[in-house]
Amino acid sequence: EVQVLESGGGFVQPGGSLRLSCAASGFSVSTYDMSWLRQAPGKGLEWVSDISGNRVFYRDSVRGRFTISRDNSKNTLYLQMNSLRTEDTALYFCVANWIWGQGTLVTVSS
Amino acid sequence: DIQMTQSPSSLSASVGDRVTITCRASQGITNSLAWFQQKPGKAPKCLIYAVSNLQTGVPSKFSGSGSGTDFTLTITNLQPEDFATYYCLQYNSYPRTFGQGTKVEIK
Repeated sequence: EVQVLESGGGFVQPGGSLRLSCAASGFSVSTYDMSWLRQAPGKGLEWVSDISGNRVFYRDSVRGRFTISRDNSKNTLYLQMNSLRTEDTALYFCVANWIWGQGTLVTVSS
Repeated sequence: DIQMTQSPSSLSASVGDRVTITCRASQGITNSLAWFQQKPGKAPKCLIYAVSNLQTGVPSKFSGSGSGTDFTLTITNLQPEDFATYYCLQYNSYPRTFGQGTKVEIK
């Protein structure tokens, strides 16, 4: 069964950093395009970043601050988030082949 | 960026009803359109991808149609478990963009 499980969320002050992980099971992370999406409290869904082969894509508001990567040996997708802002507060989801994880909560607040 | 205009933002319906939700893209997106269902406190679930392809395990009461810029999600024989928020997503180009969501509530 294809599954993804996010971790790494937490509480951080503005300007801080977090690294989110997405552990895959039932498939290889090298096989599919993979995505990070987010949902701010009480709001809609927002695409954050994709990795497709060797190409990476970001929404404008996170470009230069977030880095998406994957470790095929660990079968894990990552999102390194630096210079975090209060507006980055959200539940972050990992998605592969239309399968969503349960999300990991990132709270940025002073 | 491609804007996805989803309507209505909410609707009230009864068990057994047929409901239709639409998404309009600000420019053509070929067939790169997916629909998701989200229940309170849960992760979204993909219902349909590529306009009309049912995701594995999704019942045939859900169907999608459309082309170019106008797309529709139809749910037949609405059941209590179908009351949720539904989102469309275009994945034709970056940045990927979602519709604002449609909350389907019990009348």
